[in-house]
Amino acid sequence: GENVEQHPSTLSVQEGDSAVIKCTYSDSASNYFPWYKQELGKRPQLIIDIRSNVGEKKDQRIAVTLNKTAKHFSLHITETQPEDSAVYFCAASALTTDSWGKLQFGAGTQVVVTP
Amino acid sequence: NAGVTQTPKFQVLKTGQSMTLQCAQDMNHNSMYWYRQDPGMGLRLIYYSASEGTTDKGEVPNGYNVSRLNKREFSLRLESAAPSQTSVYFCASSDLRVTSNQPQHFGDGTRLSIL
Repeated sequence: GENVEQHPSTLSVQEGDSAVIKCTYSDSASNYFPWYKQELGKRPQLIIDIRSNVGEKKDQRIAVTLNKTAKHFSLHITETQPEDSAVYFCAASALTTDSWGKLQFGAGTQVVVTP
Repeated sequence: NAGVTQTPKFQVLKTGQSMTLQCAQDMNHNSMYWYRQDPGMGLRLIYYSASEGTTDKGEVPNGYNVSRLNKREFSLRLESAAPSQTSVYFCASSDLRVTSNQPQHFGDGTRLSIL
């Protein structure tokens, strides 16, 4: 089955700096890669996702890049703000036309943005 | 539009007691999932239901049973609760295929303590 590894486990950044979280996956059939943000005591919420037919996707200060050859994908947060402090999870799934995909999650990265 | 609704939000049980966690979604999603989240362990899949009428084991199914009551509802049952099942339980739903993009949405979670 799919195995997703996520690094680093904790990340401390100064407000205004960039943050980068990296994930690697093992199943070459994986073609869908979402990122979730979970604030303390809250539910995980989708912040961005990418499919394997594109190499990069941006949404304001957030971007995700995908390297299918190396089987890794990364989340980039620019101009970090205190409200970016949270746990971030990457995930991977092999979607098909017939079956509904289940996600394999990474272990999470605790991001702390200090003013 | 409530999304994914879980009940109860909090519960304390004694070892050996049984209980059922309820989950309902109003997004007309085909797939539903139960996860548990323990500190430092990320999200681990307990059971999932790819579509109405089917259920499958996830990564950590021991000690749990599930019922997909209809398209909207997916319940998780602990038959004989153990302290190791103390955790936060999240229900999620989605409709993710190559041809469909309804990402996984999570409920607010049930915080379960077993004494």
